[in-house]
Amino acid sequence: KAGVTQTPRYLIKTRGQQVTLSCSPISGHRSVSWYQQTPGQGLQFLFEYFSETQRNKGNFPGRFSGRQFSNSRSEMNVSTLELGDSALYLCASSFDGSYGQFFGPGTRLTVL
Amino acid sequence: KNEVEQSPQNLTAQEGEFITINCSYSVGISALHWLQQHPGGGIVSLFMLSSGKKKHGRLIATINIQEKHSSLHITASHPRDSAVYICAASSNNNDMRFGAGTRLTVKP
Repeated sequence: KAGVTQTPRYLIKTRGQQVTLSCSPISGHRSVSWYQQTPGQGLQFLFEYFSETQRNKGNFPGRFSGRQFSNSRSEMNVSTLELGDSALYLCASSFDGSYGQFFGPGTRLTVL
Repeated sequence: KNEVEQSPQNLTAQEGEFITINCSYSVGISALHWLQQHPGGGIVSLFMLSSGKKKHGRLIATINIQEKHSSLHITASHPRDSAVYICAASSNNNDMRFGAGTRLTVKP
């Protein structure tokens, strides 16, 4: 089986812009979770989608949003980018969220 | 106080040594995860456990639910084990709370 893929792998944006990141889960997995990793805050949970519905959300502002499509692929959007949004964004998939997660390689976002 | 605390923050060992990384959590959990992150960012899920002990090769993970404590052990450590090891607690809501990570360096 192919692993979790994320595109793009690297991205440079400027403050105020918006960005969309994509995650393709392992085939058959219906749960996709998104995480932000920064040197200061470490890994933090953003949200989880299951069967096209946001099932759980972390403590991030509304500028961070996501969606999941019928094929379980997920996108994450960040609007009005701030310097502090520079981070590694990781997605992870699992069959239904109750088993171990498989992580993608991440998208490294730099906001200038 | 963080909900998930790991110790030590940094660990240097000689090849062959037995290594222990500790994790304490203060939240109710449905599962405790051990993750490995190599330079460059790739994360591998090593273990997910809710009770007892799991073993995979040279890696062993244990959890004590009553004490809210988990340990990751590496036997016969090798330089390729050098990585950041992260403990994470997940609740029934599937949100994960992460420890700050333990940076392990194994010297040949």
